[in-house]
Amino acid sequence: SQQGEEDPQALSIQEGENATMNCSYKTSINNLQWYRQNSGRGLVHLILIRSNEREKHSGRLRVTLDTSKKSSSLLITASRAADTASYFCATDGNQAGTALIFGKGTTLSVSS
Amino acid sequence: DTAVSQTPKYLVTQMGNDKSIKCEQNLGHDTMYWYKQDSKKFLKIMFSYNNKELIINETVPNRFSPKSPDKAHLNLHINSLELGDSAVYFCASSPAGGRSEQFFGPGTRLTVL
Repeated sequence: SQQGEEDPQALSIQEGENATMNCSYKTSINNLQWYRQNSGRGLVHLILIRSNEREKHSGRLRVTLDTSKKSSSLLITASRAADTASYFCATDGNQAGTALIFGKGTTLSVSS
Repeated sequence: DTAVSQTPKYLVTQMGNDKSIKCEQNLGHDTMYWYKQDSKKFLKIMFSYNNKELIINETVPNRFSPKSPDKAHLNLHINSLELGDSAVYFCASSPAGGRSEQFFGPGTRLTVL
């Protein structure tokens, strides 16, 4: 069953602006991950945040996690045209040895 | 070196045919997966193998049969292909199940005519 729901479904911004994507999930988790998918390519892992963490940074990426609201956000600062891609959140559903459960993704378009 | 590779990248075939997609990872990971991504980009787990043993078998028609000859390979065989099987199939691997990041292959775009 689907776990994560991203919002918005699509986002268009100008280079240099910040992009914020949100994700909500339904069950308890051990961790939440964000992935990027460029058109016609496989998914690339961006960042993993554990359930006992509230915020994590990686370069221009900032991820927050609110387990009480079962939600996470991904902020990309100073966006570039190369950030154009689909972004997915994924959770492990707190089940041992299981696969990730992905949301529907946010399609980000960054124009120069 | 490619970490997770899949072949073929594109597969076009007629309804009713049987086809296979191969996946190999050179990362030394114990767990491998097959995901299906539909036309709306929704990704769903199909199968998960840990050290050659089936861990997850989601609600997938039994026309789909995964085979893991060793822990570096997880192939997907599909019998009697249907139009609805058209999708992009991704193989992935990870060292520790859902508790760690997963490494995805480039995908196989299957088109059933």
